[in-house]
Parts: sequence; C-alpha cells; structure tokens
Amino acid sequence: GENVEQHPSTLSVQEGDSAVIKCTYSDSASNYFPWYKQELGKGPQLIIDIRSNVGEKKDQRIAVTLNKTAKHFSLHITETQPEDSAVYFCAASEIGSSYGKLTFGQGTILTVHP
Amino acid sequence: NAGVTQTPKFQVLKTGQSMTLQCAQDMNHNSMYWYRQDPGMGLRLIYYSASEGTTDKGEVPNGYNVSRLNKREFSLRLESAAPSQTSVYFCASSEFRGETQYFGPGTRLLVL
Repeated sequence: GENVEQHPSTLSVQEGDSAVIKCTYSDSASNYFPWYKQELGKGPQLIIDIRSNVGEKKDQRIAVTLNKTAKHFSLHITETQPEDSAVYFCAASEIGSSYGKLTFGQGTILTVHP
Repeated sequence: NAGVTQTPKFQVLKTGQSMTLQCAQDMNHNSMYWYRQDPGMGLRLIYYSASEGTTDKGEVPNGYNVSRLNKREFSLRLESAAPSQTSVYFCASSEFRGETQYFGPGTRLLVL
C-alpha cells in the first residue's frame, strides 16, 4: 500500500517568513494530494489540494507543488501569520481505484512567532 | 448544512464498558471513515465504508466494530473498552473513495 513521509515534524518561523513542508509518497499510482490544517481541539480541515495532472496550485498565501517523477509534493505558506500556527497533514490517494483511501503523513506542528 | 457531526464530544469510560460513537453527514456522501488520533501517531484509519451497505477494516480495527446504518450515518462501537483505546476519534466522509475527506469535530474518549 501507499506510504507517505512528511518532514519536518516541527517547524518554527517568525511572522512574515515563509514556511515549507515536504512530503514523499511511495505509490506511483497516487493521483490526488490534499493538505489539511488542524487547529487545537478541532478536526482536520482541507486547505488546498492538487491532482497529478497539475504541477502547482496557488490560493492566496498558500501554494502546493507536485513532482511526480520524484514522487514528492510540498506545501508553501508565504507571509506567515500567528493564525497559521497549527498541525498540517499531507495525504495521498488514487482516485478511482478499488483501494481508494487517503494515506496521511505524520503531521507537522507549525508555530508562527509574532 | 452542518457537514459532519459527531456525538458525544467527550466521554469517560471504565475498562470493560461499551459505548457507541455516532457520526452523521448531510452532504450526500457515499464514503465514510473512522480514524483515531494519538499524540505523535497522526491519523490512523480504523474502519471505512466505501458505500452504503459495505464496511472494511482499516489499519487498526482490533477492538472496534462499525455499522453503516444508512447513507448518512456511520457508527463506531467499542464492545469492551481498554485504556489503550483512550484517544481522539474522528469521523470523515467523502463523495467517493479516495476523494477529499471532510472531518467532524472529534470525540475525546478517556478509558480508565
């Protein structure tokens, strides 16, 4: 089955800096890569996703890049703000397969210092 | 449109007691999932239901049972709770397998 590795496990930045979280996956059949943000005491919420036919996707201060050849994808947050502090999870799945479950990375605790 | 709802929000059990965690979604999704989240362990899939009438084991199914009551509802049952089942439980749903999952707010379970 799919295996997703996420790095770093913790990330501390100053407000206004950029933050980058990286994930690698093992199954070349995976074609869908979402990112989730989990605030303290809440469930994970989707913040951005990318499909394998696209190399990059942006939504305001958040962007995701995908390198299918190397089997890795990254989350980029620019101009970080204290409210970006949370746990971030990457995930991968193969849409349309009989397996079709999301495999999650272990999570990154992002702390943005004012 | 409430999305995914879970009850209860918090529960304390004694070892050996049983309980059922309830989950419902109002997005007309076909697939539903149960995860547990422990410190440093990320999200681990317990059971999932790809469509109404089907259920399958995930990564950590031992000690749990599930019921897909109808398209909206998916319950998780602990028949004889153990301290190792102390965790935060999340229910999620997606339109189809492998697609974007939407999570509920979680149930915090403490087994003494």
